[in-house]
Amino acid sequence: EAGVAQSPRYKIIEKRQSVAFWCNPISGHATLYWYQQILGQGPKLLIQFQNNGVVDDSQLPKDRFSAERLKGVDSTLKIQPAKLEDSAVYLCASSLDWGPRGFNEKLFFGSGTQLSVL
Amino acid sequence: GDSVTQMEGPVTLSEEAFLTINCTYTATGYPSLFWYVQYPGEGLQLLLKATKADDKGSNKGFEATYRKETTSFHLEKGSVQVSDSAVYFCALKNAGGTSYGKLTFGQGTILTVHP
Repeated sequence: EAGVAQSPRYKIIEKRQSVAFWCNPISGHATLYWYQQILGQGPKLLIQFQNNGVVDDSQLPKDRFSAERLKGVDSTLKIQPAKLEDSAVYLCASSLDWGPRGFNEKLFFGSGTQLSVL
Repeated sequence: GDSVTQMEGPVTLSEEAFLTINCTYTATGYPSLFWYVQYPGEGLQLLLKATKADDKGSNKGFEATYRKETTSFHLEKGSVQVSDSAVYFCALKNAGGTSYGKLTFGQGTILTVHP
């Protein structure tokens, strides 16, 4: 089966510029996640969608980050304006379900977008 | 809140050596525990999991036992191969409180295996 697709693979921008990342999850997966992975740290959840609704965005810096999942399929994550500390790998993941039925279902991760803010 | 702590890395071993990567956690209730692996240039993928105390997860020669008394989920392999070189992440998912369903990761341990 096709995996989680992300683009671009790499992005270099200057601080205060804006950037957008795109994710296409595995077909049929209801739950989509965006994680931020700073070098030397584990992934940190930014936002979680169940279909096209937001389940958890408690760690999303909403003054500069935004995300949407139109029609419950593809998703985009945007940063505007970017700061130096936003340099990280942005990972998208999907899973069949999130609730009790799919609680222990594994997450499928994309290869990520490596962002460098200069 | 929930947290996961992994042993300081990186870890460098010779082929066929025994591997242990320590993982301890802090969480309320009864979380599920996972090990994810990230091979160079690839996304994270699930290696193994355990959903209740004393469960043993296993896959590809790797094992980890859910020890509630010591809040640990150490990863072990009896004989590592060069192809096991990767970054290993311990993680938990909690069914209680405000962290319901959220996967919390440790900081990762880089493993390098030499021939």
